[in-house]
Amino acid sequence: NAGVTQTPKFRVLKTGQSMTLLCAQDMNHEYMYWYRQDPGMGLRLIHYSVGEGTTAKGEVPDGYNVSRLKKQNFLLGLESAAPSQTSVYFCASSYGAPNEQFFGPGTRLTVL
Amino acid sequence: AQTVTQSQPEMSVQEAETVTLSCTYDTSESDYYLFWYKQPPSRQMILVIRQEAYKQQNATENRFSVNFQKAAKSFSLKISDSQLGDAAMYFCAYCDSGGGADGLTFGKGTHLIIQP
Repeated sequence: NAGVTQTPKFRVLKTGQSMTLLCAQDMNHEYMYWYRQDPGMGLRLIHYSVGEGTTAKGEVPDGYNVSRLKKQNFLLGLESAAPSQTSVYFCASSYGAPNEQFFGPGTRLTVL
Repeated sequence: AQTVTQSQPEMSVQEAETVTLSCTYDTSESDYYLFWYKQPPSRQMILVIRQEAYKQQNATENRFSVNFQKAAKSFSLKISDSQLGDAAMYFCAYCDSGGGADGLTFGKGTHLIIQP
């Protein structure tokens, strides 16, 4: 039982490049979330999903897109990376709010 | 929108002593959930304790307990018998009970240092 996994763990991009972060969970959770964490800040919600095929915007969605084609996977995409998107990205999942959210190990992204 | 405020950017405590981390929040809801998460240097987010607003009894998990004051919108975390392994960032978080599908709202965190 791996819990929540994230791929990759680290990535460096140049401004304007695109990439996709993959989150996978093996707990059969319905709800999945993407957060970003910046220095001196708590986590902020980017997008979330309450089930396969559904997504919704969180607090800071601009510049990101998401997809949930399979229940166990939640993808976060950056179409044209900007230095302001340098951050640590966390994925989380839960049986349903407001139950405990289980977090992945995070992805450190640097945009030059 | 709900907000969560942690007024102590950093706290320091001697090993084996007790420390209290503060958290206040703002909401117009009457039913909600509050959490404390721990983030050690490994970066992994770990749930420490959870409190349902409709419960008057304060939650307790071993050496960790909360003081939940609903009227004051205060939710502090007490760590008893502090251990070196307790050193971490601690985040207070809020979630609506009405689904809460829009995720957790986090405070900015308190960096807890344990002095040996």
